[in-house]
Parts: sequence; structure tokens; C-alpha cells
Amino acid sequence: DIQMTQSPSTLSASVGDRVTITCRASQSISSWLAWYQQKPGKAPKLLIYKASSLESGVPSRFSGGVSGTEFTLTISGLQPDDFATYYCQQYNFYSTFGQGTKVEIK
Amino acid sequence: QVQLVQSGAEVKKPGASVKVSCKTSGYTFTTYGITWVRQAPGQGLEWMGWVSTYNGDTKYAQKVQGRVTMTADTSTSTAYMELRSLRSDDTAVYFCARDWAGVYWGQGTLVTVSS
Repeated sequence: DIQMTQSPSTLSASVGDRVTITCRASQSISSWLAWYQQKPGKAPKLLIYKASSLESGVPSRFSGGVSGTEFTLTISGLQPDDFATYYCQQYNFYSTFGQGTKVEIK
Repeated sequence: QVQLVQSGAEVKKPGASVKVSCKTSGYTFTTYGITWVRQAPGQGLEWMGWVSTYNGDTKYAQKVQGRVTMTADTSTSTAYMELRSLRSDDTAVYFCARDWAGVYWGQGTLVTVSS
């Protein structure tokens, strides 16, 4: 199984901050990685697919990056609507989610 | 518009089975597979498996392999996930999603396993 190690588990930030969440894959997954935002009681919302492709309708302050097996989600200029939990998902071989990162208000 | 509509909440006893449906509309059903994901209360997302709506091929997570069956009915554009030998730690919200990285998701189905 491919393991996805996501960090941090919790992140305290203020409106306007630039925040970065990291996911490390236990082996190569090429660029088959997605990022989701989830709010309580709702289904996840796809933000980024193929590591760095922005899903249609998602604000450009969200961006994805990759270096080897390390993947990042960056939010440039945190907005009030961005306080939520974020998950990475690999879909190179079967699929695995990271443990999640809760972005909370500082 | 694309929609995935899941069946309603279920309460089951340990050892029983549950079958959750995911009815799709707004696109050609056989073009995209269906992924199933669950989320236990207060916990993260767990990938359970994927079914090809084209040929019925399946891929399951090791954790549920042997207890789960995912199927797709092309005549009704509906996918199904059956989980057997239910345990208390199967209590979760179960989601279906279109394709491996889901843009479109169902609303979720709460399955409660309790004696």
C-alpha cells in the first residue's frame, strides 16, 4: 500500500496569511495527487488534481506543487471561507488519503 | 447537471450487511468509474474502493477486502456498495464520487452499526 503522510495535522493562521500543507508519499506516485477541502457535514470539494492543476471554479489563491514524492498545497492570502480541513489523495495505485490538516483561526 | 444521489441513512446490528446506492444523472454513466469513500465520526477520509461502470472491474482497499462488493447497474446508472459482517467501527458516513479524483460527490449516507 502507498502511505500518504500529511502535515501538519492542525494549522492556526490568520486571514491574509500564506499557508502551506505538505503530503509525502511512501513511493513514487508520479503526479497522481489531488487536494480536497472539507467542511463539517459536507462532502469533500476537489481543489487540485494531477498535483498542480486547479479545478474549474476554484480561486487562484490555491496552488499545488510537487518535488519528487513531496506535494504541497499553498493558500496565498487565507480567506474566512478557507478555514476547513484539507486532505491529499493519491490515485496512482489504488488510492489513499492523507490524515487531514485542520486550518483554524489563530 | 451532474448529480450523484445516495440512499438514506441505515441502522444495522453487528454482523448484518448494508447496501448503499448511488444514483447518477447528467452524464454518460459508463464514462467514469465510481469511487467509494467513508468517514467515521470525527475522523478522516478512508478510500474503500472503485468500480468500473464500463466493465464492472473492481479495486478494493485491503482493510475491507473480503467484506465489500461494489457493483454498477448500467440500466439505471446506479452504483452500489455492499458491506457485510458489519462491526461497530464500520459506523461512518459513506460517500460515492465520480472517478478516481472526484469533482462530483454524493451527499453521503450515514451507516450506524449498533446492537
